[in-house]
Amino acid sequence: KNEVEQSPQNLTAQEGEFITINCSYSVGISALHWLQQHPGGGIVSLFMLSSGKKKHGRLIATINIQEKHSSLHITASHPRDSAVYICAVRPGWGSQGNLIFGKGTKLSVKP
Amino acid sequence: KAGVTQTPRYLIKTRGQQVTLSCSPISGHRSVSWYQQTPGQGLQFLFEYFSETQRNKGNFPGRFSGRQFSNSRSEMNVSTLELGDSALYLCASSLVSGSRPNYEQYFGPGTRLTVT
Repeated sequence: KNEVEQSPQNLTAQEGEFITINCSYSVGISALHWLQQHPGGGIVSLFMLSSGKKKHGRLIATINIQEKHSSLHITASHPRDSAVYICAVRPGWGSQGNLIFGKGTKLSVKP
Repeated sequence: KAGVTQTPRYLIKTRGQQVTLSCSPISGHRSVSWYQQTPGQGLQFLFEYFSETQRNKGNFPGRFSGRQFSNSRSEMNVSTLELGDSALYLCASSLVSGSRPNYEQYFGPGTRLTVT
């Protein structure tokens, strides 16, 4: 079993839909990251969370430390949101834990 | 501020050769981490350097090595290339490490290595 599981693996949505991507992990963590990767490879860090909820524009990320679960929500989705979304966790405390990545969720938003 | 830069962006090498990839972090960032991304394994951590010292290493064979210079630029080297080393190699820089447990990482565009 992977230490970081994401669902769904693939997601197709119509423009304007509300989207949720889930991430579950099995280790104790000091932080969880949500990353966005567009075709061509470039990765952008969207959020870094250790508790609660963060919002940036149409993106919202939540984390439940007790349940070892995080969600990434996209409101009013747009074709430019089409990308691979990757969840990554930093195990333990301090900077000694290496980032462990989920396999990613490929999102396609149709106009 | 300029972002993280990686050179070269694309590289084709033959099995058995060696390769060196370069990463220049954002100015002022002292931590550089390297990652390998393949379709089968996804993203995997290679190593992290901070102030010219390797702080952490992932589960990769000794053919993968790296170093960091006094200006924080980092290089990674892969010797005796194998077909399975074909991947996107990404580096990421961070402002702090060590005393602060959580820090934002800024990724470079990656170097796509093809081994034939």
